[in-house]
Amino acid sequence: GENVEQHPSTLSVQEGDSAVIKCTYSDSASNYFPWYKQELGKRPQLIIDIRSNVGEKKDQRIAVTLNKTAKHFSLHITETQPEDSAVYFCAASMNFNKFYFGSGTKLNVKP
Amino acid sequence: GAVVSQHPSWVICKSGTSVKIECRSLDFQATTMFWYRQFPKQSLMLMATSNEGSKATYEQGVEKDKFLINHASLTLSTLTVTSAHPEDSSFYICSARDGQANEQFFGPGTRLTVL
Repeated sequence: GENVEQHPSTLSVQEGDSAVIKCTYSDSASNYFPWYKQELGKRPQLIIDIRSNVGEKKDQRIAVTLNKTAKHFSLHITETQPEDSAVYFCAASMNFNKFYFGSGTKLNVKP
Repeated sequence: GAVVSQHPSWVICKSGTSVKIECRSLDFQATTMFWYRQFPKQSLMLMATSNEGSKATYEQGVEKDKFLINHASLTLSTLTVTSAHPEDSSFYICSARDGQANEQFFGPGTRLTVL
């Protein structure tokens, strides 16, 4: 089955700096890659996603890049704010079916 | 956006009892629902895929006789944790796939504590 690895496990940045989280996946059949933000005790919230026919997608301060050949994708958050502090998960899926999640990154944005 | 609800939001039970968790898609029909388990400070681990009207398919290492899944309608899937033990204490989250929109929506989760 699919194996998704995520790094780093924790990330601490100063407010206003950028944060980058990286994921790799193993199954070349995966074609959908969402990113979720999860606050303690709450459901994951989709923040951005990318499909395999696209190399990059941006939504305001958040962007995701995908390298299909290398089987890795990254989340970029610019101009970080304290409210960006949370745990972020990447996931890989084929055709929006089973989601295989990375291990998570705890992002701490220091004011 | 689409709404997925779970009930109960939290439950405490004694060891050896069974607990049923419901997952409902409120404004769309979900032919497929998924059940995940999340231990504290860990990731979401897929447990099983639930298809309406058919048997669930379980991920490797998940005991199908312990985690009974029923998907009786296009808007409801249930997960029953049978003979629960303290090690089953976890956050259980369902998600529902909206086939028309090609999206998955997560429920709010159920925190299970087994004493």
